[in-house]
Amino acid sequence: KQEVTQIPAALSVPEGENLVLNCSFTDSAIYNLQWFRQDPGKGLTSLLLIQSSQREQTSGRLNASLDKSSGRSTLYIAASQPGDSATYLCAVESSNTGKLIFGQGTTLQVKP
Amino acid sequence: GAVVSQHPSRVICKSGTSVKIECRSLDFQATTMFWYRQFPKQSLMLMATSNEGSKATYEQGVEKDKFLINHASLTLSTLTVTSAHPEDSSFYICSASARLALGPQYFGPGTRLTVL
Repeated sequence: KQEVTQIPAALSVPEGENLVLNCSFTDSAIYNLQWFRQDPGKGLTSLLLIQSSQREQTSGRLNASLDKSSGRSTLYIAASQPGDSATYLCAVESSNTGKLIFGQGTTLQVKP
Repeated sequence: GAVVSQHPSRVICKSGTSVKIECRSLDFQATTMFWYRQFPKQSLMLMATSNEGSKATYEQGVEKDKFLINHASLTLSTLTVTSAHPEDSSFYICSASARLALGPQYFGPGTRLTVL
């Protein structure tokens, strides 16, 4: 059974810092891995999607990497801003079932 | 593109009543739709998967008679919470995919259900 773990559960940083969020998964049979952002009481915003054959994806100040063999992904946020404050969710799509399995999320607070 | 809407965004109901939540794909045909549930400060848990024109497949522990899912068209799926109780209060999020098996899911904005 696929399990997705995110570390840390919460993170508070001053504005301008570069930071790394971690995601690990137990079953390497994945079709893709996605990082989402969720603001309080809101739905999900897809940030980056990495296919299983890819190593990383970049969008603006965000960079996500994938190491399928070790079951790990990282989301790198450069020059963090208060507007980045949100919960970041990692999810893997099982290549066997097509289901998305979510981690518990990392709640980020960027202080001005 | 790939916009998914949900209605209503919030609903408050009395215990024992039924509530219907709609999920629509606005600019693509959603072959498959998924329903998730999220309790406060927890992650999303898949409740069921539905393919257009077929019966939904429920995850273990999800009561299919309590959470009725209908996916009658390629742009609309509904989740009906029957005889709702306070423990059903949660954030319900749908997603839609244009593929039958693997592929990206596009998420709706969620529906906050509060059962009094």
